[in-house]
Amino acid sequence: NAGVTQTPKFQVLKTGQSMTLQCAQDMNHEYMSWYRQDPGMGLRLIHYSVGAGITDQGEVPNGYNVSRSTTEDFPLRLLSAAPSQTSVYFCASRLSFTIASTDTQYFGPGTRLTVL
Amino acid sequence: AQKVTQAQTEISVVEKEDVTLDCVYETRDTTYYLFWYKQPPSGELVFLIRRNSFDEQNEISGRYSWNFQKSTSSFNFTITASQVVDSAVYFCALSEYEEGGSEKLVFGKGTKLTVNP
Repeated sequence: NAGVTQTPKFQVLKTGQSMTLQCAQDMNHEYMSWYRQDPGMGLRLIHYSVGAGITDQGEVPNGYNVSRSTTEDFPLRLLSAAPSQTSVYFCASRLSFTIASTDTQYFGPGTRLTVL
Repeated sequence: AQKVTQAQTEISVVEKEDVTLDCVYETRDTTYYLFWYKQPPSGELVFLIRRNSFDEQNEISGRYSWNFQKSTSSFNFTITASQVVDSAVYFCALSEYEEGGSEKLVFGKGTKLTVNP
């Protein structure tokens, strides 16, 4: 298993540009999510998905779109990048979304995004 | 709303010292889970432990130990005989449940641990 993969590792955008951060997992996990990490802020949830075709907003969803057309992929789209979106983005996945699950949440290696 | 507080922003110790990282949480859920993650300088997030709200037994794994006390809403992490390789940012997290059963993690702001030789 490759685990959770993210591409690209680094990206520089200009204000107003759009781009998609890719996330894929090959573990047949139901639950996938996107977090952003900013200095002194910990990780904050952007969007999450409990299965193909189902997505929902997290704590900081503004400026981001997601879709989940397959179990494996969960791309994060920035439609019009802003300097406030400069951050490190982590994708995560877990086998099950249920409360009683003892599954571990696995994180990808992160994408470092800079918006000028 | 759930909240996780890691009051120690940065800690610096000398190798072989013991160090405790504090984590205090707030939740109204009766069933919840607490986590610790390690983020070394390379940037990846490494899962360390998951503990459910019904299990207050302390956990030990090698040089790592965790003390969960519901009475004080704390889930502290101790590294015994610290090593330079323990230098990292450590995050405490609390699970939060949405209607329908899906679980989200709420993270603390992290504690940066530096272990000097």
